[in-house]
Amino acid sequence: RKEVEQDPGPFNVPEGATVAFNCTYSNSASQSFFWYRQDCRKEPKLLMSVYSSGNEDGRFTAQLNRASQYISLLIRDSKLSDSATYLCVPAFNDYKLSFGAGTTVTVRA
Amino acid sequence: NAGVTQTPKFRVLKTGQSMTLLCAQDMNHEYMYWYRQDPGMGLRLIHYSVGEGTTAKGEVPDGYNVSRLKKQNFLLGLESAAPSQTSVYFCASSSSTGVNYGYTFGSGTRLTVV
Repeated sequence: RKEVEQDPGPFNVPEGATVAFNCTYSNSASQSFFWYRQDCRKEPKLLMSVYSSGNEDGRFTAQLNRASQYISLLIRDSKLSDSATYLCVPAFNDYKLSFGAGTTVTVRA
Repeated sequence: NAGVTQTPKFRVLKTGQSMTLLCAQDMNHEYMYWYRQDPGMGLRLIHYSVGEGTTAKGEVPDGYNVSRLKKQNFLLGLESAAPSQTSVYFCASSSSTGVNYGYTFGSGTRLTVV
């Protein structure tokens, strides 16, 4: 089983829509979690950190379910600029992260 | 504040040639990492370092060597380039506070081996 599994998508949604997707992880010892955003041919950039059951930052909400070992990301009121690949990243210790292959979201006008 | 800087940004090598990719960070981070990213495969860890003078193998270390002689620099070497090493290489760094605050990435090096 892969350490991190994500639905690759793509999720194709109209502007203003809500889109949500999940990520499952295999290492139950993971303590902290991150969502990174990666634009085409650019470096990944930190979007959100999740240290407890969830986190909300503007239009973005992340939820963590430790019992089922998954985290989700929800984007409300989608903007064209939200089009990107979203990487799910659990941390196994204080320095090592494991990256999912990403979920691609395309927001259309 | 530059963050993480990678050089070069682009390079084309012939099979069998060697080269060194340089990563420099100005955030006083203890930990540094080299990843490669191929289409559909996500980021894969090549080597990493938890401090000056230390290095460790990641998921895909074969064909690469690294050195961390100075805290701020992490070098990735390809001794004899192969077409399978055509990829985008990302360097990253993180702090050592005991809590993982995530990585800061460089802008990447696009390497083509012909």
